[in-house]
Amino acid sequence: NAGVTQTPKFQVLKTGQSMTLQCAQDMNHNSMYWYRQDPGMGLRLIYYSASEGTTDKGEVPNGYNVSRLNKREFSLRLESAAPSQTSVYFCASSRTSLETQYFGPGTRLLVL
Amino acid sequence: AQSVTQLDSQVPVFEEAPVELRCNYSSSVSVYLFWYVQYPNQGLQLLLKYLSGSTLVKGINGFEAEFNKSQTSFHLRKPSVHISDTAEYFCAVSAPGGFKTIFGAGTRLFVKA
Repeated sequence: NAGVTQTPKFQVLKTGQSMTLQCAQDMNHNSMYWYRQDPGMGLRLIYYSASEGTTDKGEVPNGYNVSRLNKREFSLRLESAAPSQTSVYFCASSRTSLETQYFGPGTRLLVL
Repeated sequence: AQSVTQLDSQVPVFEEAPVELRCNYSSSVSVYLFWYVQYPNQGLQLLLKYLSGSTLVKGINGFEAEFNKSQTSFHLRKPSVHISDTAEYFCAVSAPGGFKTIFGAGTRLFVKA
């Protein structure tokens, strides 16, 4: 009963390095999301995919790219990491774009 | 566009006392409203949601919330809290026809023995 899985759980990067955060869901959901969580700011939407084959920008897309690889998988890429991208990243999915979202356990990213 | 304001960043309360976590929203259209809970080092999980119908919504773990359209509020309540309710609580809003859910900044509930 995996739900939403994210890898890695924790990552340390140096400024300028790149990395991809992976997310997969096994609930046959159509919509998937990437959020970042920073103290005192709640969750902010980075990118979302309303359905397979589509992606759109959220509130804070600068410095990130996404790929909806198939219905199950939605990855987030940092091309050139910056200290301002130090955060906890959550992936979520929902059956449709307005329904209950199911969250993964998060990835803690530290950019030095 | 929608926005959400959680009026308290932290709420300390003694075990078995009642608690209310406040949430106000703004929107020019009808909305769906949600409360999520985040336990330490975990992702968010749904407590309850309001889509339509009865304005009093009951959720998991004894929580309930009341949708008040005239005051644009969706406050979360529990009549008697437990130590295990210590967590961060997020109010969220989405609008039919849109694709985004907007989350509030969160309220940290501390339940003391």
